[in-house]
Amino acid sequence: EAGVAQSPRYKIIEKRQSVAFWCNPISGHATLYWYQQILGQGPKLLIQFQNNGVVDDSQLPKDRFSAERLKGVDSTLKIQPAKLEDSAVYLCASSLNRQETQYFGPGTRLLVL
Amino acid sequence: DQQVKQNSPSLSVQEGRISILNCDYTNSMFDYFLWYKKYPAEGPTFLISISSIKDKNEDGRFTVFLNKSAKHLSLHIVPSQPGDSAVYFCAASAGSQGNLIFGKGTKLSVKP
Repeated sequence: EAGVAQSPRYKIIEKRQSVAFWCNPISGHATLYWYQQILGQGPKLLIQFQNNGVVDDSQLPKDRFSAERLKGVDSTLKIQPAKLEDSAVYLCASSLNRQETQYFGPGTRLLVL
Repeated sequence: DQQVKQNSPSLSVQEGRISILNCDYTNSMFDYFLWYKKYPAEGPTFLISISSIKDKNEDGRFTVFLNKSAKHLSLHIVPSQPGDSAVYFCAASAGSQGNLIFGKGTKLSVKP
């Protein structure tokens, strides 16, 4: 069974530029999560989708971050404009449903200069 | 305010010995706890979980102990192997549908 796929794996941008990350969850998984992991910290949930609807986006900085999950499968997370403090690893995870184990992708490492 | 705390950033253990990783939490609403393992350049991988109705859960070499009164859980790895060298994250949620709150992680090094 294929795992959670993410791309790109690495991205370097300058502050005030925009960037987008893509996630393809495990087939059949209804719930999709985006996490931000800053160096030395644990992952922090940004947004949770159930199929193509948002369940929780309370931790998403909505002035610059946006995410969508069209058709309830793939998802994209966008940052516009990026700030220095957005440098982090962005992890995507999926689960069969909200009660089940979350499986993580390899992450996208973002460096904002 | 950190709700899940892993106070030891690192731990070094000899191969074959026991590794004990600790985690404390402050939110009394947490009732489901998990451990994830993370290798460099990979995403976290689920290792073992425990709900608050239990005080112990075992899976092969891995055992998680929960002390609800102390708001403390620990992960025991016996015997430790060099392949266990990774960062271990403790996570907690309020209910099985609650959001996961992660600790900062403990880097385990198992020396041959």
